[in-house]
Amino acid sequence: TQLLEQSPQFLSIQEGENLTVYCNSSSVFSSLQWYRQEPGEGPVLLVTVVTGGEVKKLKRLTFQFGDARKDSSLHITAAQTGDTGLYLCAERANFNKFYFGSGTKLNVKP
Amino acid sequence: EAQVTQNPRYLITVTGKKLTVTCSQNMNHEYMSWYRQDPGLGLRQIYYSMNVEVTDKGDVPEGYKVSRKEKRNFPLILESPSPNQTSLYFCASNSLRGDTDTQYFGPGTRLTVL
Repeated sequence: TQLLEQSPQFLSIQEGENLTVYCNSSSVFSSLQWYRQEPGEGPVLLVTVVTGGEVKKLKRLTFQFGDARKDSSLHITAAQTGDTGLYLCAERANFNKFYFGSGTKLNVKP
Repeated sequence: EAQVTQNPRYLITVTGKKLTVTCSQNMNHEYMSWYRQDPGLGLRQIYYSMNVEVTDKGDVPEGYKVSRKEKRNFPLILESPSPNQTSLYFCASNSLRGDTDTQYFGPGTRLTVL
């Protein structure tokens, strides 16, 4: 079983602040995905990172994959209330087996 | 509209009463999965299927059954539900071709077993 650790578990910030959340593993990721889940809905894929050292940007969100492919981070610049949600990292191990982290619950206050 | 649908969205039942949660996707995806989500534990995969009549256990299969008789449908069966199966359940599908890592999730089924 792949163990993905996410930190912090909870984050409450004011609108306009920056934040970073982390996803770590003791094993090497084949690839890593980040999802956002809003209350009452299923997770929605934000990005997949594959190559060590890779950086991907999605508007105010910046995703980084560690050089050794054992960690990843999600940085949000100038957070907005619409960024509120649960952020999950996930790895596809083999065939169609996926492992998810326990998530970071983000609350952005107006 | 491309989507994954689940029914019912909410279900309260009693211990031992068999139930089925349906899942259907209209994207012609080969792969489908069931997950449960519990506070502090993230999503844990129950079962997955790679095509019709091909299913395999995920991390937490005990107490659940699945079947894949048609490509679009992947029902989750609880033959004898117990209170520890109270959870939020998600069905997901992804494609065999192209971007195979992108899972599309349904809206969830909140199950309470008394």
